[in-house]
Amino acid sequence: DGGITQSPKYLFRKEGQNVTLSCEQNLNHDAMYWYRQDPGQGLRLIYYSQIVNDFQKGDIAEGYSVSREKKESFPLTVTSAQKNPTAFYLCASSILSDTEAFFGQGTRLTVV
Amino acid sequence: ELKVEQNPLFLSMQEGKNYTIYCNYSTTSDRLYWYRQDPGKSLESLFVLLSNGAVKQEGRLMASLDTKARLSTLHITAAVHDLSATYFCAVDPLPGGGSNYKLTFGKGTLLTVNP
Repeated sequence: DGGITQSPKYLFRKEGQNVTLSCEQNLNHDAMYWYRQDPGQGLRLIYYSQIVNDFQKGDIAEGYSVSREKKESFPLTVTSAQKNPTAFYLCASSILSDTEAFFGQGTRLTVV
Repeated sequence: ELKVEQNPLFLSMQEGKNYTIYCNYSTTSDRLYWYRQDPGKSLESLFVLLSNGAVKQEGRLMASLDTKARLSTLHITAAVHDLSATYFCAVDPLPGGGSNYKLTFGKGTLLTVNP
């Protein structure tokens, strides 16, 4: 079955640690996205990538980093510079010519 | 900067009633999407509206797009409890899609349907 897989589903981070969230898709989509969701805030774009080895900052990129070494994979690293990382993180992908986005199941990150 | 505003943000309604959720956006666009999110879950695509005057219906939900008014509506007919969820609209900020593929989301409408 085609789809987008995010892992882990739940992640706990200690203060000062970097953590990496995984996102893999087998839909053969060119574009991939990372969104952050906080209660009452809707979805905010962190980073997006339209092609392998290229990515652009979204609206709230500070404290985050990404890579796009393979078409299928778009991991997100939450660095220690992100002061308030507790949130629900959603990965999405879309065909380049059509921006309808399909979402993974999300990763809930909590700082302990 | 594109702004997408949904209203209401909270909607409590009785089963069997009708209601409309509104999505206004601030720049020209001809691509608008509606998503549903259940608590703690991901987003599920409901409707894709790709032109002025587009209307799509699925069960008790009907979505429409007026690009001249920069307005989309999601109409709920004879609501049932299973429709309780958060509904998001999302707008492609460039006319015709363009090359900057990113969606801007509204804050969502939390719908609660009471028996």
